[in-house]
Amino acid sequence: AQKVTQAQTEISVVEKEDVTLDCVYETRDTTYYLFWYKQPPSGELVFLIRRNSFDEQNEISGRYSWNFQKSTSSFNFTITASQVVDSAVYFCALSETRTGAGSYQLTFGKGTKLSVIP
Amino acid sequence: DGGITQSPKYLFRKEGQNVTLSCEQNLNHDAMYWYRQDPGQGLRLIYYSQIVNDFQKGDIAEGYSVSREKKESFPLTVTSAQKNPTAFYLCASSPAGGLSGNTIYFGEGSWLTVV
Repeated sequence: AQKVTQAQTEISVVEKEDVTLDCVYETRDTTYYLFWYKQPPSGELVFLIRRNSFDEQNEISGRYSWNFQKSTSSFNFTITASQVVDSAVYFCALSETRTGAGSYQLTFGKGTKLSVIP
Repeated sequence: DGGITQSPKYLFRKEGQNVTLSCEQNLNHDAMYWYRQDPGQGLRLIYYSQIVNDFQKGDIAEGYSVSREKKESFPLTVTSAQKNPTAFYLCASSPAGGLSGNTIYFGEGSWLTVV
């Protein structure tokens, strides 16, 4: 069974600091997808990134960057120069590539609550 | 604007009553989902539907029911059989396909409280 672990339950940083959110996953498949979502206080989950298991290149989008390492089964998310608007709960999720029943399920980690203090 | 609309945002239910949460999407997505979120628990899948008139149980389907009569709509009924229904409910959708790598997009959620 697939599993996603976000060991950091809560993190607090001072504005402008960098912060890394950890995500470790378990799967038996060689083909899978990893996701990060942001959940602000309003409740909606906002899609941030999708990465397939064959693409290990790091990705940068503005102040966000992601480090995917298959060797350690990790998909960590770094926010550079954090801002108060980054305060939210962040979820890492795993989806295995498989047809049939269950093919559309995402397995979510329990989330990391990030508080950015002004 | 394209998106997923859930209603109501807040709902109070008396014990023993059934309630229905609405979910509508205009993204032309074939697949739709219902997730439940409890504090510190992450998201758990209740039901999902890949096409109209078809749906499958997720990990925690007991006490819930769904229907998928239209592509755009996937209402969730929380029945009196659900022992602990107080939670945040999220509806989601994704494009069609046999592969699970499609991105799933979420609505704004509905808070259900049993009083």
